[in-house]
Amino acid sequence: AQSVAQPEDQVNVAEGNPLTVKCTYSVSGNPYLFWYVQYPNRGLQFLLKYITGDNLVKGSYGFEAEFNKSQTSFHLKKPSALVSDSALYFCAVRDIQAGTALIFGKGTTLSVSS
Amino acid sequence: SAVISQKPSRDICQRGTSLTIQCQVDSQVTMMFWYRQQPGQSLTLIATANQGSEATYESGFVIDKFPISRPNLTFSTLTVSNMSPEDSSIYLCSVASRDFNEKLFFGSGTQLSVL
Repeated sequence: AQSVAQPEDQVNVAEGNPLTVKCTYSVSGNPYLFWYVQYPNRGLQFLLKYITGDNLVKGSYGFEAEFNKSQTSFHLKKPSALVSDSALYFCAVRDIQAGTALIFGKGTTLSVSS
Repeated sequence: SAVISQKPSRDICQRGTSLTIQCQVDSQVTMMFWYRQQPGQSLTLIATANQGSEATYESGFVIDKFPISRPNLTFSTLTVSNMSPEDSSIYLCSVASRDFNEKLFFGSGTQLSVL
C-alpha cells in the first residue's frame, strides 16, 4: 500500500530565509509525486510534480522539490520565503502500477514571519 | 486545465438527513474522485467515480453511506446519507485526465456542517 509522511505539523521561518517542508513516501512501484498548497477558505492548488527525468523539479511561485529515490523523499524547498507563502502544504503520491488516485500526507502548516 | 464547479459550497444540515453534492467539469475527464477533509486533517480518498458503473470505494467507506453517481464524463454526485455530526467535513471533487498531464484538479469544496 502506498503512503506519505510529512513529519512536521508546522514549519516556521523568517521572511527571506530558505524553507524546507519534508515529505517521505512509500510505494511498491515507481511513484508520481506532487505538492499542493491550500490557502485558507480556498481549494487545493497544484505546485509541482515529479514523474520522471531530472530529480530537481521546479514549480509555481518559486518552489522546487528534489526527488531522492534512495531516501524515498520529495522535500519542498524555496530559497527565499515570503509572508504570502504561509499556507497548508500537502505532499501526495500516486503509485503508477496501483492506480491513479492520489494519497495525501497529513499536511504541514508553513508560517513565514516578517 | 480543468474548471470544476462544485455545489453547494457550504451547507448546514440536520442529523439524519441526506445531502447531495454535485461536481461539474468543463471538459471530459477520464477519472473523477471524491475526497473528504475533516477539520484540521488531511485529505482522505472516499471513492473513485466510474462512468457508467458502480464507484470504487476505499476502506472505511461504503456505498450505502456515500452513494456516488457518474452518468457521463463531465458530471458526478456524492450523497452523504443519514448524516451525523461526525460527517461534518469538507468534501472535494477531483479530476484527472491524460490530457492534464497526470495532475489532479480540485473543486473548491463543499463545507458541510451537521447539527
